[in-house]
Amino acid sequence: DAKTTQPPSMDCAEGRAANLPCNHSTISGNEYVYWYRQIHSQGPQYIIHGLKNNETNEMASLIITEDRKSSTLILPHATLRDTAVYYCIVIYPGRRALTFGSGTRLQVQP
Amino acid sequence: GAVVSQHPSRVICKSGTSVKIECRSLDFQATTMFWYRQFPKQSLMLMATSNEGSKATYEQGVEKDKFLINHASLTLSTLTVTSAHPEDSSFYICSAMSQGANSNQPQHFGDGTRLSIL
Repeated sequence: DAKTTQPPSMDCAEGRAANLPCNHSTISGNEYVYWYRQIHSQGPQYIIHGLKNNETNEMASLIITEDRKSSTLILPHATLRDTAVYYCIVIYPGRRALTFGSGTRLQVQP
Repeated sequence: GAVVSQHPSRVICKSGTSVKIECRSLDFQATTMFWYRQFPKQSLMLMATSNEGSKATYEQGVEKDKFLINHASLTLSTLTVTSAHPEDSSFYICSAMSQGANSNQPQHFGDGTRLSIL
């Protein structure tokens, strides 16, 4: 599985868009990009995933660069409840465990 | 969406006690479930992979005789911490994937069990 690099922390004002970057320069052709978040003292929550096309769901948008070496998770209107650690994980699909890095600690400020 | 229930959410017990943690997939069948452990201010670390009807696969450094895993049905996996000691105090989290899901479908996680050994 490709290694990912994320900034350790970010701040965002409530109501503004939160853009969380992830570098995965060694990603292989069939590896997907998954995003999870972990709110304090809870289990990780799935957010979104994609292969090469941009994806959007009710929680967020995922923008993957054309060369697939990096991606950005966008929370369009951050709220205080979005304060969490966000994990970007690159993995081949299948029944395999996820490898969690250090993630990005997003603090949404009122 | 897929729901994974973990029970209990918190356990406090004396050293030497054995503790069982349940992980259930509520609205789907899970051939494979994963058990993770998370120490304070650290990331999740995989402990073992639980496969229905067969023995679990443990990660290096995880004692299989101390952390007993049973996956007797497609909706339930249990982790038993035997003779727990203070160093076993941690946040234990399970995840599961739908049996019938496409291979790129995400894993879904339980809310974790915080184990405190006095």
